[in-house]
Amino acid sequence: DIQVTQSPSSLSASVGDRVNITCRASQSTIFVNWYQVKPGKAPKLLIYSASNLQSGVPSRFSGTRSGTDLTLTISDLQPEDFATYYCQQTSTLLPTFGQGTKVDVK
Amino acid sequence: QVRLQESGPGLVKPSETLSLTCSVSGASVSTSPFYWSWFRQPPGKGLECIGYVYSDGSANYNPSLKSRVTMSVDTSKNRFSLKLASATAADTAVYYCARVFSGPGQRKFDFWGQGMLVTVSS
Repeated sequence: DIQVTQSPSSLSASVGDRVNITCRASQSTIFVNWYQVKPGKAPKLLIYSASNLQSGVPSRFSGTRSGTDLTLTISDLQPEDFATYYCQQTSTLLPTFGQGTKVDVK
Repeated sequence: QVRLQESGPGLVKPSETLSLTCSVSGASVSTSPFYWSWFRQPPGKGLECIGYVYSDGSANYNPSLKSRVTMSVDTSKNRFSLKLASATAADTAVYYCARVFSGPGQRKFDFWGQGMLVTVSS
């Protein structure tokens, strides 16, 4: 099974900041998605297959991959971006998630 | 716009069956290459995939839950369902349904319901 380890578990940032969240996979894979989750709201797919922006998602969100390291970048943090973010590997039949990163207000 | 909405009892007694339905609008549960999934997130814990159901009624389940889980699809009502037998307090969680798209070089869960808290308690 492929495991993903996400870091940091939380971070504090200000509007306008550049934010990076990382997942390390136990094996090299492009099958990693990124989601934004807010309480009481439907999770939102941001990035699929490591670096592809889902339709309708603002371009300030981007995903990159270097070997087994995958990074979600929010280039210009907006007020609506304070949320919890998860990576998800879908290489195996049962997807597994990172532990989540909570982005809150500094 | 594709929308998914979970429904069912928010409180289930221990040893009873937890039953949830996901109603789909803006898309058909019969259409390939989509299929349908359930996830859950216990309080303070991570997200877990429960399994998938396909439009022909076949399904794949998480081995840790396989003995207790049944998923089905109702094409006439455009919805799909989850049943989890012999519920315990450990099954208390927010339950989500989601649509899955699988294609060359991608497998993504592109639309989700807003989630529903189910508490198992007497």
